Amino acid sequence: GENVEQHPSTLSVQEGDSAVIKCTYSDSASNYFPWYKQELGKRPQLIIDIRSNVGEKKDQRIAVTLNKTAKHFSLHITETQPEDSAVYFCAASKSSYNDYKLSFGAGTTVTVRA
Amino acid sequence: SAVISQKPSRDICQRGTSLTIQCQVDSQVTMMFWYRQQPGQSLTLIATANQGSEATYESGFVIDKFPISRPNLTFSTLTVSNMSPEDSSIYLCSVSSGTSFTFFGQGTRLTVV
Repeated sequence: GENVEQHPSTLSVQEGDSAVIKCTYSDSASNYFPWYKQELGKRPQLIIDIRSNVGEKKDQRIAVTLNKTAKHFSLHITETQPEDSAVYFCAASKSSYNDYKLSFGAGTTVTVRA
Repeated sequence: SAVISQKPSRDICQRGTSLTIQCQVDSQVTMMFWYRQQPGQSLTLIATANQGSEATYESGFVIDKFPISRPNLTFSTLTVSNMSPEDSSIYLCSVSSGTSFTFFGQGTRLTVV
């Protein structure tokens, strides 16, 4: 099955700095890569996703890049704010129509220092 | 986005007993999934709940331990059977829309004592 590795496991950044989280996947058939943010005691929330036919996607302060050849993708958060503190999970899926069974990375705990 | 209601939100159960978790979606969805999140860990897929047929279980999960029902396109249940303390986790229902997003219910925090 798909194996997703995520690094680093913890990340502490100064407010206003950038944060980068990296993931690698094993199955070249994977074609959908979402990122989730989970605040303490809450459900995972989708923050951005990317498909294998796109190399980069941005949404305000968040961007995701994908390198299919190397089988890795990254989350970039710019101008970090205290409310960005949370656990972030990457995931991969060999999605077909309406079937998005996800394999998750281990998670990265991001702490933004004020 | 789909609105997913999951209940109970939390429970404390005695070992050897069973708990059934319900997941209700406000619209018809093709795919429903059940995930487990052990304390401080990532999410692991338990099974895909198939409407009108038996659930599809991932490696390491079996029907006798985690029976799943999916009577229609908006509802599913997961039962955690013959519980032990190792079953203490958060159990999450999720659904996928045709546009690829996967949404999660608020989760059921289970503690087995």
